[in-house]
Amino acid sequence: EDQVTQSPEALRLQEGESSSLNCSYTVSGLRGLFWYRQDPGKGPEFLFTLYSAGEEKEKERLKATLTKKESFLHITAPKPEDSATYLCAVRNTGNQFYFGTGTSLTVIP
Amino acid sequence: DTAVSQTPKYLVTQMGNDKSIKCEQNLGHDTMYWYKQDSKKFLKIMFSYNNKELIINETVPNRFSPKSPDKAHLNLHINSLELGDSAVYFCASSQDLDTDTQYFGPGTRLTVL
Repeated sequence: EDQVTQSPEALRLQEGESSSLNCSYTVSGLRGLFWYRQDPGKGPEFLFTLYSAGEEKEKERLKATLTKKESFLHITAPKPEDSATYLCAVRNTGNQFYFGTGTSLTVIP
Repeated sequence: DTAVSQTPKYLVTQMGNDKSIKCEQNLGHDTMYWYKQDSKKFLKIMFSYNNKELIINETVPNRFSPKSPDKAHLNLHINSLELGDSAVYFCASSQDLDTDTQYFGPGTRLTVL
């Protein structure tokens, strides 16, 4: 069965302390892997789509990478405003979407 | 302007009642979705509509029925509400079925007592 597992469940960082979030996936046929940001009480906000192993995408302090089994979201020198839950999702070749349960990131000033 | 909007924001109701959640998108997108997010933040797709036709129904109980009066609206009707239906429901849209980027609404928190 296709599934997505994210780790850690929660992460606390000091402002400026870089780290990575992990997304492991099992999928029958990968069409795309997505990263979303979700703030409390709001809907997910799209960040990146990755389609093939070796692909990388960057946006400000965030960088997403993809291998055949997992994706990483690297956060460089985070700021308090980066605090949010980060969701990973996959879309298989049957056009079905599967989301992970997210990593709750807290950046302390 | 809000791209994807939902009403109501909060919905509290008794078991057995019937309720509806409305969703509207002003992006001109062809495809709309309904998701359920449980207390553990697990987001699961329920339905998708493309040009007013149901494309995916992820084994959701038939108490849940999506209705799309036009391309910009996808409403969710829930009959005979159960305690387990308590969750946050999100509407989303994408340009079309082939476009992966989805835009989510703010969510509707449903509480069944």
